Amino acid sequence: NAGVTQTPKFRILKIGQSMTLQCTQDMNHNYMYWYRQDPGMGLKLIYYSVGAGITDKGEVPNGYNVSRSTTEDFPLRLELAAPSQTSVYFCASRIDLTTYEQYFGPGTRLTVT
Amino acid sequence: GNSVTQMEGPVTLSEEAFLTINCTYTATGYPSLFWYVQYPGEGLQLLLKATKADDKGSNKGFEATYRKETTSFHLEKGSVQVSDSAVYFCALFERSGGSNYKLTFGKGTLLTVNP
Repeated sequence: NAGVTQTPKFRILKIGQSMTLQCTQDMNHNYMYWYRQDPGMGLKLIYYSVGAGITDKGEVPNGYNVSRSTTEDFPLRLELAAPSQTSVYFCASRIDLTTYEQYFGPGTRLTVT
Repeated sequence: GNSVTQMEGPVTLSEEAFLTINCTYTATGYPSLFWYVQYPGEGLQLLLKATKADDKGSNKGFEATYRKETTSFHLEKGSVQVSDSAVYFCALFERSGGSNYKLTFGKGTLLTVNP
């Protein structure tokens, strides 16, 4: 059971470039989340999804887009990378409304220069 | 809105020392409270939880008690090990509107345990 997997582990982007951070979970969880973690800060929610075809904004959605075409996958798209998007990105999933625990992926460290 | 405040780090202890990491919260309702741990190079893992007032969560020798009167959820361990070195996050879980529940995290506390 792989849990939540994320690719790539590390990436360096130039300003203005685009990329997609991949997230896949094999636990058949309905709820999926994208967070960013800045140094010395807690996690901030970027986007979340309550099921395939349904996504919504979190606290810090500007500069990002998501899609959820399947239960398993929840990619995060950066269209025009900016230095302010340098961060560690975590994907997480949760099975349903009544289950508290979120399962986190190992993270993607992104640097925009 | 909801918020979580936890003690600033870093915290450096010797092996077998007693650990306390303070966490207080503000919330509009009756949240559930969590401690997550992040080992170097890994994602967050749930360490323990408490879902109502006076509940005590415990796991791997760590404990925390949900104190509604002081809005606190302090993490304790009687004897830390080098393998406990990690970042610890206090988190609050509450309904944020509609069908979604939101996790609000503290800033994290880095713990280093020396042999």
